[in-house]
Amino acid sequence: GAGVSQTPSNKVTEKGKYVELRCDPISGHTALYWYRQSLGQGPEFLIYFQGTGAADDSGLPNDRFFAVRPEGSVSTLKIQRTERGDSAVYLCASSLKGTGLQNEQFFGPGTRLTVL
Amino acid sequence: GIQVEQSPPDLILQEGANSTLRCNFSDSVNNLQWFHQNPWGQLINLFYIPSGTKQNGRLSATTVATERYSLLYISSSQTTDSGVYFCAVGGYNTDKLIFGTGTRLQVFP
Repeated sequence: GAGVSQTPSNKVTEKGKYVELRCDPISGHTALYWYRQSLGQGPEFLIYFQGTGAADDSGLPNDRFFAVRPEGSVSTLKIQRTERGDSAVYLCASSLKGTGLQNEQFFGPGTRLTVL
Repeated sequence: GIQVEQSPPDLILQEGANSTLRCNFSDSVNNLQWFHQNPWGQLINLFYIPSGTKQNGRLSATTVATERYSLLYISSSQTTDSGVYFCAVGGYNTDKLIFGTGTRLQVFP
């Protein structure tokens, strides 16, 4: 079946602009995660959804970052007033369940965000 | 939070050689995954292995949870094995994955 998909694959924006990144999880997966990967580093957790609600948003760096998952499937990560330091690859993952068993996470191809 | 350390940071091999990658973690975990990040950036699932031993073709992995480490074995390496290998763990009180800094593997013909 289809894996996790993310759009766009690349996004170039100017400092101060607003961007939205979209994630489509594997069908039937109730848990959805956002991570951010900077060059030369491992991915870092941003936020986790179980169904429609954000179960853990402790990784969001500041209040310019926000994510939603209104129908428990597709999620959108929103970044306001972008800064050059936001440039990174934004990765989305999904898993069958969020807690305990069956928490193997599968990743999408990522969105490469460049803030000029 | 849980700390994850991977070694070695870099590994250069000739095709056909075997290698062992190590992942140490600082606390009990209920999730441990090994990934291969290919040159295009895609994270490919290799193993979901919070404990025990698994094998998949030329790759195998062992996690000794009580001693807080996991090993990834690559046998008869091929040039397509090149890339970065990440270990990521999840604790009992959290569902997020914490990634190590990775091992960059280069396999030359």
